[in-house]
Amino acid sequence: DADVTQTPRNRITKTGKRIMLECSQTKGHDRMYWYRQDPGLGLRLIYYSFDVKDINKGEISDGYSVSRQAQAKFSLSLESAIPNQTALYFCATSELDRSYGYTFGSGTRLTVV
Amino acid sequence: QQQVKQSPQSLIVQKGGISIINCAYENTAFDYFPWYQQFPGKGPALLIAIRPDVSEKKEGRFTISFNKSAKQFSLHIMDSQPGDSATYFCAASMTAGNKLTFGGGTRVLVKP
Repeated sequence: DADVTQTPRNRITKTGKRIMLECSQTKGHDRMYWYRQDPGLGLRLIYYSFDVKDINKGEISDGYSVSRQAQAKFSLSLESAIPNQTALYFCATSELDRSYGYTFGSGTRLTVV
Repeated sequence: QQQVKQSPQSLIVQKGGISIINCAYENTAFDYFPWYQQFPGKGPALLIAIRPDVSEKKEGRFTISFNKSAKQFSLHIMDSQPGDSATYFCAASMTAGNKLTFGGGTRVLVKP
């Protein structure tokens, strides 16, 4: 099994619908992140969580919300999806002061029509 | 405001050539600078990282050069191979394992 699992892998949804992207990890890391990837813009941070009781906004949090259900689970919700939220979404985990970097999931490709 | 700027956006190099990707950052509090490699359909994976107390770090065919005074760092891929064809991201954070700010990415194509 993958260390960081994202579901679904692909999703097409309609404008105005609520959608949830899920992330679970077996790394035992406390820190979890949601990024979106757009061509030419790289990866931009949406939300991050340093432990179960800690949730922080990233640089592009408007239109998104998150839930940290357990150390291993971190979900991203789009309350009312819009077409410019069409992107590739990645979940990642890390540990502070560990130089082995982030562990990324394989991504969720979301299309809002 | 993009705190980490990466160039070029795309790069084509012949097999055996050198690929060079440049990044510039603004926040002087950054002290950890990793590079990530991403293949199609996959999440990014850590390639190599450097801290500002050294000016160069080499791992195999991959070298990071770091210029603290200019707030710039670069990735050199020596003897580029077709298997190196991927998207490369530079990034920066305050300490390893902390939240990363990524550059815009460079798509590298190595022609056989």
